[in-house]
Amino acid sequence: ETGVTQTPRHLVMGMTNKKSLKCEQHLGHNAMYWYKQSAKKPLELMFVYNFKEQTENNSVPSRFSPECPNSSHLFLHLHTLQPEDSALYLCASSQDRVYEQFFGPGTRLTVL
Amino acid sequence: GEDVEQSLFLSVREGDSSVINCTYTDSSSTYLYWYKQEPGAGLQLLTYIFSNMDMKQDQRLTVLLNKKDKHLSLRIADTQTGDSAIYFCAEKWNYGGATNKLIFGTGTLLAVQP
Repeated sequence: ETGVTQTPRHLVMGMTNKKSLKCEQHLGHNAMYWYKQSAKKPLELMFVYNFKEQTENNSVPSRFSPECPNSSHLFLHLHTLQPEDSALYLCASSQDRVYEQFFGPGTRLTVL
Repeated sequence: GEDVEQSLFLSVREGDSSVINCTYTDSSSTYLYWYKQEPGAGLQLLTYIFSNMDMKQDQRLTVLLNKKDKHLSLRIADTQTGDSAIYFCAEKWNYGGATNKLIFGTGTLLAVQP
């Protein structure tokens, strides 16, 4: 596997479910990001991790909980989501915070 | 505050040139980027330009930067149907020391008619 991979690619969940999104990067990068992409809105940066430490949380509701066990893996734990949380969730990585970001294919999330 | 604006839609005929425009607000941006997103895929970095440059050419792609007007454009020569995608402009916004982040526009959907 090369680049940035995300699983699952599609997820449908109810508002009371708990699920997790997974991201893995095979590029040797040390910074990883979660973005939310909603229709007709700019990409929203949610979380940033640098060397496994969270360096940014852009006022994201606590029903989204990130986890970064090592520099290659990033998770987004989901709990009691709302229908308006339905979106494409993109993971990205970069070498430090300085260089260009490489994106995964995203997880299309639908909350019923 | 940071803001990047793009028009939402552009339609061109195959073989014509496409020009996608973007305006940004942070005059201290060091890099500006163009990303491409094909259906069902993530964002792919197409090209970028450093803020001390006016133009960058890479095969069919030409990036023009007007720092005075904070205007960035992407020209695709000889547009092909495979160029149909959403194109995102992004600026690297520095908010202190070595900390910076990418600010994305809403994306421009390019539709190429055969």
